[in-house]
Amino acid sequence: DGGITQSPKYLFRKEGQNVTLSCEQNLNHDAMYWYRQDPGQGLRLIYYSQIVNDFQKGDIAEGYSVSREKKESFPLTVTSAQKNPTAFYLCASSTLTGLSGNTIYFGEGSWLTVV
Amino acid sequence: DAKTTQPPSMDCAEGRAANLPCNHSTISGNEYVYWYRQIHSQGPQYIIHGLKNNETNEMASLIITEDRKSSTLILPHATLRDTAVYYCIVRVAQGGSEKLVFGKGTKLTVNP
Repeated sequence: DGGITQSPKYLFRKEGQNVTLSCEQNLNHDAMYWYRQDPGQGLRLIYYSQIVNDFQKGDIAEGYSVSREKKESFPLTVTSAQKNPTAFYLCASSTLTGLSGNTIYFGEGSWLTVV
Repeated sequence: DAKTTQPPSMDCAEGRAANLPCNHSTISGNEYVYWYRQIHSQGPQYIIHGLKNNETNEMASLIITEDRKSSTLILPHATLRDTAVYYCIVRVAQGGSEKLVFGKGTKLTVNP
């Protein structure tokens, strides 16, 4: 089935460690996104990428890094510089258009907890 | 900041229509209105989107006012499984790219 796969679903990290969240899509979408969601809050954009080997910072990029070596993959690394990383992380993708009605689809999310 | 305003919560009786309002008074002429919903601990699910005309699909109907400053999502026969947070989003284009700006949404509770 086509879709967006995030892994792992649940991840625990010790303070000072870097962790990487995986996001893979088989929808042939050009654009991919990472969002963070804190309990009871809306989604905030961390990074997004329109094409391979290119990405831009979103609203809360500090303490995070990404790569886009393949069209299908957009992994997110939560570094030790992120002071409050415990959150729900969502990956999304869409076709690349101008101002249009194309839809952005989301993965099922990954829970990261710092212990 | 989100470009939309939604009530924080609403209740609806099972089997009745749920009408969720959204204000987007600063929407640009070529920006679309999207609706998503999110059930706890899951990724947001796409529901519907529109530009000017009213839209309907198997999940819902979207009514956009003529001046495009507000819209209403209609779930015609709400079920308990429709209990979720519903997000109204205006598609923002920035620097040639696109991103969705999410607010806090409306928590819809469908009661038996």
